[in-house]
Amino acid sequence: GIQVEQSPPDLILQEGANSTLRCNFSDSVNNLQWFHQNPWGQLINLFYIPSGTKQNGRLSATTVATERYSLLYISSSQTTDSGVYFCACRLHFGGTSYGKLTFGQGTILTVHP
Amino acid sequence: EPEVTQTPSHQVTQMGQEVILRCVPISNHLYFYWYRQILGQKVEFLVSFYNNEISEKSEIFDDQFSVERPDGSNFTLKIRSTKLEDSAMYFCASSGDGYDSYEQYFGPGTRLTVT
Repeated sequence: GIQVEQSPPDLILQEGANSTLRCNFSDSVNNLQWFHQNPWGQLINLFYIPSGTKQNGRLSATTVATERYSLLYISSSQTTDSGVYFCACRLHFGGTSYGKLTFGQGTILTVHP
Repeated sequence: EPEVTQTPSHQVTQMGQEVILRCVPISNHLYFYWYRQILGQKVEFLVSFYNNEISEKSEIFDDQFSVERPDGSNFTLKIRSTKLEDSAMYFCASSGDGYDSYEQYFGPGTRLTVT
């Protein structure tokens, strides 16, 4: 199956700093999603980004499908950005649309005031 | 905005008991999923469901697990005889109101504690 690796595993920032989280995947994908897991354990969908670049406020994401990686940028970080960030991918095959998402191990982000 | 809902938010059960976790997917979605996350670990796929049958399942999804879409709105995960290692957060997801709609929408999760 597809391998999804995230880096760094842990990241500690001061409020206001910028950060980049990386997701590498081993095969061609037709779905890539970034999630933020909040302190209550909920998975908050940040981006659906199988290719290209998207921005939402202080967050943006870029996926370079041909090189099999995606980046999540957080600018001007706030304490509420703390939590675990997951990348998840769906293997591209046969045009079917019910395939599972494979999650990475996550990046634990801690933002200090 | 439409969302996936799950009930209960937290369930405590004794080892050996049956539990049913409930989900209401987004109404026009066609594909349904269950995932789980053991505390401190990554999210793992359990099963996908399409057209009233299982389309894919993982090694975790053994004979103790079953899924059902009993009516037009609910999607359930049943664990027949819970074990301590079934303690986890269980997420329901749905996708696909069109050919290119691969994005999966996740519910808030049910935290299952087996004692």
